[in-house]
Amino acid sequence: ELKVEQNPLFLSMQEGKNYTIYCNYSTTSDRLYWYRQDPGKSLESLFVLLSNGAVKQEGRLMASLDTKARLSTLHITAAVHDLSATYFCAVDGNYGGSQGNLIFGKGTKLSVKP
Amino acid sequence: DAGITQSPRHKVTETGTPVTLRCHQTENHRYMYWYRQDPGHGLRLIHYSYGVKDTDKGEVSDGYSVSRSKTEDFLLTLESATSSQTSVYFCAIGLAGPYEQYFGPGTRLTVT
Repeated sequence: ELKVEQNPLFLSMQEGKNYTIYCNYSTTSDRLYWYRQDPGKSLESLFVLLSNGAVKQEGRLMASLDTKARLSTLHITAAVHDLSATYFCAVDGNYGGSQGNLIFGKGTKLSVKP
Repeated sequence: DAGITQSPRHKVTETGTPVTLRCHQTENHRYMYWYRQDPGHGLRLIHYSYGVKDTDKGEVSDGYSVSRSKTEDFLLTLESATSSQTSVYFCAIGLAGPYEQYFGPGTRLTVT
């Protein structure tokens, strides 16, 4: 059974600082997603990581995937208040062949303070 | 905007009553999904569909059924709602086959 663990679950940062969110998963998968959710809103896709060593960057966020270690990281550079949100990673569960059965981590609630 | 809507957006119902939530898409995507979101659990897959009349169970399917008689509509039914089904329900569509899921606005369901 695939399990996805994120840490930390809560993160309070100061503006301008750097930090990393970690996403570990328990069984082989080569497709990992990062989403952002603002309070009371839906999920917004940030990154799709498809292969070992994949790295994607958008603004102050950079995501990477190490399939051998079963680890993805979401690195935040010089945080700003607008990045305050909950971030989820999700891994393709591959129930009987990939049908997009995503298994989500519990989310990391990020709060960026001045 | 991938053209996905959910209805109703908010609903309060009593224990034991049937409830149907609707997910509607306008772009003819084959894959559709229903998730529930609860504090401390992230999102969990309830059911999914890979075509008209083709559906399968997800991680937390007990107490739920689905139907897809048209490409554009995916219905989630709670046959007899219970308080444990109080949650926010999200529908998603696969923008590239089963990949790159795009989420709808969500339905907040309260069962009293």
